[in-house]
Amino acid sequence: GQSLEQPSEVTAVEGAIVQINCTYQTSGFYGLSWYQQHDGGAPTFLSYNALDGLEETGRFSSFLSRSDSYGYLLLQELQMKDSASYFCAVRGYGQNFVFGPGTRLSVLP
Amino acid sequence: GAGVSQSPSNKVTEKGKDVELRCDPISGHTALYWYRQRLGQGLEFLIYFQGNSAPDKSGLPSDRFSAERTGESVSTLTIQRTQQEDSAVYLCASSPVGGEGTDTQYFGPGTRLTVL
Repeated sequence: GQSLEQPSEVTAVEGAIVQINCTYQTSGFYGLSWYQQHDGGAPTFLSYNALDGLEETGRFSSFLSRSDSYGYLLLQELQMKDSASYFCAVRGYGQNFVFGPGTRLSVLP
Repeated sequence: GAGVSQSPSNKVTEKGKDVELRCDPISGHTALYWYRQRLGQGLEFLIYFQGNSAPDKSGLPSDRFSAERTGESVSTLTIQRTQQEDSAVYLCASSPVGGEGTDTQYFGPGTRLTVL
């Protein structure tokens, strides 16, 4: 089976840096993805890590350690518009994806 | 180009009725996924289609749920004899498997299903 754990809520102020962690247990693993979902909206893709290390895309970075079954999403220079839910997702064997429960990020002025 | 579209955007039905939800994926995307998202919760995988291969139905919660896809085009998710517990947003996503960004899923706006 596959399961993922994330913190349920994170709060930070504008301009700050926040890290959202994700740990996973899977029977197969090809990569860790991150998605953002605003209230009432559809999830949108942020990043994907197949190999260990840090991937940087603008203000967002994502990290993976396969040996630790752990990854994180790092958001820098937080903006109000970053307030949303963030989901990590694991692709196991085949193309079956399992999503984490989501972390609700609140950015305060 | 056009993104993933879903219809209807909202569906209110009575317990026991059948409903059919439609998904139009991005043209050329060979992979198509259906997910269920209950209020305030994460995405629950339902079914996955990849080209003409047999679909992965491992996430369907009961035999009241079924889905079809013709080739690499439209997919329909059917829920028979709906129950109140089926109330949720049903999301469809497509992915260009085998190309760049193969792990990127593009989501539709979802269908909000309410079973009274």
